Amino acid sequence: NAGVTQTPKFQVLKTGQSMTLQCAQDMNHEYMSWYRQDPGMGLRLIHYSVGAGITDQGEVPNGYNVSRSTTEDFPLRLLSAAPSQTSVYFCASSWSGTPYEQYFGPGTRLTVT
Amino acid sequence: AQSVTQLGSHVSVSEGALVLLRCNYSSSVPPYLFWYVQYPNQGLQLLLKYTSAATLVKGINGFEAEFKKSETSFHLTKPSAHMSDAAEYFCAVSRSQGAQKLVFGQGTRLTINP
Repeated sequence: NAGVTQTPKFQVLKTGQSMTLQCAQDMNHEYMSWYRQDPGMGLRLIHYSVGAGITDQGEVPNGYNVSRSTTEDFPLRLLSAAPSQTSVYFCASSWSGTPYEQYFGPGTRLTVT
Repeated sequence: AQSVTQLGSHVSVSEGALVLLRCNYSSSVPPYLFWYVQYPNQGLQLLLKYTSAATLVKGINGFEAEFKKSETSFHLTKPSAHMSDAAEYFCAVSRSQGAQKLVFGQGTRLTINP
């Protein structure tokens, strides 16, 4: 099993550009989520999904869109990048129900200039 | 609303010394509590979790944590630090009843001195 994979590993965008961060998992997990990690702030939940076709907002959803058309994939879209979105982004997945361990991807480091 | 506070953004100990990383939480309902570790340039990995089965929880790599409801704490300890323990550690809380949404603390960077 590859676990949770994320692409790209690094990305530089200019303000106003759009892009999609890819996330895939091969563990048949129902629950998937996106976090951003900023120094001194831990990880903050952006969006999450409890299954294909179902998504919801987390703590910091503004400027991001998600969709979940399959169990395996959960892409994160930046609609119009801003310097405040410079961060490290992590995707995670787990079984639903009683809190199971969340498996994290290796992260995408995004810089917006 | 739930929140997590990790006391000390940086902790430095000598190899072989006790490791103590502090975590306090606030939650209006019985929580699930987690400790995750992040090695440089990697994702997060679960160290241990509390789900009300036992107040003393043992995790991987010799770490353990004790849930103290009266102190709203879930401190992480290891009796003897190893150089390989150098990493960033995150405490996180989620509500019970099947909620996977995690609220993370700010993180504590652990440095091990030879």
